[in-house]
Amino acid sequence: NAGVTQTPKFRILKIGQSMTLQCTQDMNHNYMYWYRQDPGMGLKLIYYSVGAGITDKGEVPNGYNVSRSTTEDFPLRLELAAPSQTSVYFCASSYSGDWNEQFFGPGTRLTVL
Amino acid sequence: DQQVKQNSPSLSVQEGRISILNCDYTNSMFDYFLWYKKYPAEGPTFLISISSIKDKNEDGRFTVFLNKSAKHLSLHIVPSQPGDSAVYFCAASYIAGGTSYGKLTFGQGTILTVHP
Repeated sequence: NAGVTQTPKFRILKIGQSMTLQCTQDMNHNYMYWYRQDPGMGLKLIYYSVGAGITDKGEVPNGYNVSRSTTEDFPLRLELAAPSQTSVYFCASSYSGDWNEQFFGPGTRLTVL
Repeated sequence: DQQVKQNSPSLSVQEGRISILNCDYTNSMFDYFLWYKKYPAEGPTFLISISSIKDKNEDGRFTVFLNKSAKHLSLHIVPSQPGDSAVYFCAASYIAGGTSYGKLTFGQGTILTVHP
């Protein structure tokens, strides 16, 4: 089991560019999440999905979009990158939403200049 | 409005002694609490959890205590080891309308350093 994998590990974007952060899990988990972590801060939820075709906003969704066409994949799309989106992005998955721990990927460090 | 707070940015302890990490929350609806450990350049890894029907949960060297009336939880590591040096995050969730969807609210983290 690879668990949760994320690509790329690092990326530098220019203001206004777009990109997609990839996330894949091989644990057959229904629930998947995207978080961002700013320096010295905790993780904040961007979007989540409770199954293929179902997504919803978290605490900080502005500037991002997601899709969930398969159980395994949950890509995060950044449109018109801004310096405020400089952060470390973590994808996570869990078997169910109730009283289950989430398994995290290694993160993508994104810098927008 | 920060609903989960870890007021100590850092903690330094000697190997073999107890480490106590603290976390406070403001939302009384939270009913499930977790601790995650994070090494640099890695994702958080789950450590231990507790539901609001309990006041203590133990797993080896790690014990989590929950005081619902004070809206406070703590993580005890005994004995502390140098390999425990990492950032520790507490997180909370609650069931709303039948399911929480697992959405977690995280504290800011506490950097634990265990000296040999």
